[in-house]
Amino acid sequence: EVQLQQSGAELVKPGASVKLSCKTSGYTFSNYYMSWLKQMPGQNIEWIGNIYGGNGGTGYNQKFKGKATLTVDKSSSTAYMDLSSLTSEDSAVYFCARGPWFAYWGQGTLVTVSS
Amino acid sequence: DVVMTQTPPSLSVAIGQSVSISCKSSQSLVYSDGKTYLHWLLQSSGRSPKRLIYQVSNLDSGVPDRFSGTGSQKDFTLKISRVEAKDLGVYYCAQTTHFPYTFGAGTKLELK
Repeated sequence: EVQLQQSGAELVKPGASVKLSCKTSGYTFSNYYMSWLKQMPGQNIEWIGNIYGGNGGTGYNQKFKGKATLTVDKSSSTAYMDLSSLTSEDSAVYFCARGPWFAYWGQGTLVTVSS
Repeated sequence: DVVMTQTPPSLSVAIGQSVSISCKSSQSLVYSDGKTYLHWLLQSSGRSPKRLIYQVSNLDSGVPDRFSGTGSQKDFTLKISRVEAKDLGVYYCAQTTHFPYTFGAGTKLELK
């Protein structure tokens, strides 16, 4: 069974950075892309970017370049997303979703940016 | 970016009714390989989205055949026959033909 287990909720101060994780099981990590997505309360879903589990190759939504950095650790079948220079506009639920085409989703991580 | 326009924004239905949701894209979603990468997802209250249909009309495993997807180029429809209580939530269309991938704003399906 494919499972994506995301890290717990984060409360971070403006200007800080945070690293979210998405630990996977039930499939060959290296064979698939992992997307990261953002959903603000009551709002639409935005695609941040994706990363290939095999070689770490990435593709980003231009809107999130400089804000998000995607990495993987093949040894632990885990995908990561670093979010930097956080502001209130970054407060949202962040999802990881495996390809192809968002076939499986993590449970989401709530990030709250507040002083 | 490709804009995905979903209508209606919300639908009130009675159990057993059939409904349709429209999704129109600002560009053709036919990729250079000839395939169309338009998908439908359902987000039930407080949960992660779940994909129901991929590539316009292919049902994901475990999705009942009360769900069907049709369409081509820029115009797509999700139909739900004989709505059940577990079908309630927000439906999204999403395209993965063009970068960046984009989603519609959602259609909220609720009980009348």
